[in-house]
Amino acid sequence: NAGVMQNPRHLVRRRGQEARLRCSPMKGHSHVYWYRQLPEEGLKFMVYLQKENIIDESGMPKERFSAEFPKEGPSILRIQQVVRGDSAAYFCASSSGGELSGNTIYFGEGSWLTVV
Amino acid sequence: SQKIEQNSEALNIQEGKTATLTCNYTNYSPAYLQWYRQDPGRGPVFLLLIRENEKEKRKERLKVTFDTTLKQSLFHITASQPADSATYLCALGIRQGAQKLVFGQGTRLTINP
Repeated sequence: NAGVMQNPRHLVRRRGQEARLRCSPMKGHSHVYWYRQLPEEGLKFMVYLQKENIIDESGMPKERFSAEFPKEGPSILRIQQVVRGDSAAYFCASSSGGELSGNTIYFGEGSWLTVV
Repeated sequence: SQKIEQNSEALNIQEGKTATLTCNYTNYSPAYLQWYRQDPGRGPVFLLLIRENEKEKRKERLKVTFDTTLKQSLFHITASQPADSATYLCALGIRQGAQKLVFGQGTRLTINP
């Protein structure tokens, strides 16, 4: 778990501001996932990326949310014009492969976003 | 509709007993299933993975079973300890073009001394 690094751990934003959440995957992992956990709800898939490619963004809201995983540097989840409903814990995870045989997915400690 | 349900929101067990958590799903064809532990304010920690062609997996005091006919997984912690108190999450690895986990709501387990 300690291998996936997320920052910031806690972020407070006013409505209308932008939130940027960063994730460095475990060493040797090239597959990154973002999940969201709303209060009292389960983890929900948002997006799956490999270096420079978005593979599956079926869980991303259509507006205001974007994600990238550049060739160099961490993966970024960006939320523009935040609203109160965006308040949640955002977890990044990584794995060494994306095959359906089941490469273990390891999670970071999360970034807790509070919109005031 | 597709659903994944963990049997109860909260479970209280006496120290030393076996805790059994249930994960049921409908209208999914998972390639594998994973169990995670999550403590308050922390990220999920991977515990065990079991594939669709496996019936049972063990790791120390943990045991997972996977019945694709019943569409159910059972997660057992034997000789439970207060340190095992946490929320346990079941997650299906589903076939939808890419690897994706679908999580249950979690069961909050408390082991009483």
